Amino acid sequence: QVQLQQWGAGLLKPSETLSLTCAVYGGSFYWSWIRQPPGKGLEWIGEIHPSGSAHYNPSLMSRVTISVDTSKNQLSLRLTSVTAADTAVYYCASNTDYRFDYWGQGTLVTVSS
Amino acid sequence: QSALTQPASVSGSPGQSITISCTGTNSDVGGYNYVSWYQQHPGKAPKLMIYDVSSRPSGVSNRFSGSKSGNTASLTISGLQAEDEADYYCTSYTRSSTWAFGGGTKVTVL
Repeated sequence: QVQLQQWGAGLLKPSETLSLTCAVYGGSFYWSWIRQPPGKGLEWIGEIHPSGSAHYNPSLMSRVTISVDTSKNQLSLRLTSVTAADTAVYYCASNTDYRFDYWGQGTLVTVSS
Repeated sequence: QSALTQPASVSGSPGQSITISCTGTNSDVGGYNYVSWYQQHPGKAPKLMIYDVSSRPSGVSNRFSGSKSGNTASLTISGLQAEDEADYYCTSYTRSSTWAFGGGTKVTVL
């Protein structure tokens, strides 16, 4: 099974900016970020298409930026002004024809002072 | 956006069948055939089990099946096996061009 590779800082202080990157592959479909707080369920953060079309979870939209660099095949996530509530495992995933078929290994991001 | 509603837990004995429900609204589950189901074992990334309500990806056991009626989608696991013990999540595309997830269901094999 294909697993996407992702990386980024795992420990942040409140008010800092979360930044994660995921190695993706070429194709004309969407790429998503999804997160999972410890012991809780999955939450969709947002998605982007190589064309630049993006959609975001309304609850996070004011703080989130998702981008894709097609020349490097890299997907990025920026989440500003983090708080303890943003502590979660963050996953990147491919959206192929309305399904999340391939996922990254997950990155635990902890927000603590 | 509202999360989809799933039971917190479902259990069954080996060999039995269980069904997990996923209830949404006309704006998500009831409005699109883009419901998918994911299996997640502890410490692992979710794995796609069902997509487009009832289609199975290559490599997924035919013991897993999906259906939908109105605003409720369902995942059925037949011939329950110990390896099926995991958390299961449903998701649906929504009218707002976003994705809604269910709260997750813990499946226990007795």
